Amino acid sequence: DIQLTQSPSFLSASVGDSVTITCRASQGINSYLAWYQQKPGKAPKLLVYVASTLQSGVPSRFSGSGSGTEFTLTISSLQPEDFATYSCQQLNSYPYTFGQGTKLEIK
Amino acid sequence: EVQLVESGGGLVQPGGSLRLSCAVSGFIISDSYMDWVRQAPGKGLEWVGRSRNKANAYSTEYGASVKGRFTISRDDSKDSLYLQMDSLKTEDTAIYYCIRPIFGSARGLAVWGQGTTVTVSS
Repeated sequence: DIQLTQSPSFLSASVGDSVTITCRASQGINSYLAWYQQKPGKAPKLLVYVASTLQSGVPSRFSGSGSGTEFTLTISSLQPEDFATYSCQQLNSYPYTFGQGTKLEIK
Repeated sequence: EVQLVESGGGLVQPGGSLRLSCAVSGFIISDSYMDWVRQAPGKGLEWVGRSRNKANAYSTEYGASVKGRFTISRDDSKDSLYLQMDSLKTEDTAIYYCIRPIFGSARGLAVWGQGTTVTVSS
């Protein structure tokens, strides 16, 4: 199975900051990586798919990049509603797998 | 509007069985791939499995930890997806989500239900 490792696992930032979360795959996954946002008690929300395509309705301050084994999610100008947990998922080969998650907290 | 509503969760003893249901609306289920994902308490997301669409003979894929114990099926006449869970273990305790992937590419899990909670405990 393909392992996904996110870094950092925890991130503290302030409103207005720009942050970057990295997701590394144990083997190449082309560009078949998605990013999700999850708030406590809620289902995850798809933000980005095929590494860099923004899901409809997602604010443009979110952006994704990468291919192969290294991917990033960048949130520019953090808003209060962005503090949540972010997870990556590979959809290149079965079984699909998720990263362990990155919790973004308010500093 | 696309909607997914899971049901069937509850408390079950180790070794027991449970069947989860997902009622869908707003789209033609036979045209769509469908996934299940779970989340154990305080833990990350775990992909459980996928049912491909009618054009792909409803073939299925499963995660390593559930393969051979869980079965995904559907009843298109009832607009419903199912997850049959057998030989349940305490580590299967989780919220289970029914999901419709992005239509056409299936390379992202676009629409999620609210989840149903399964607790495996004696």
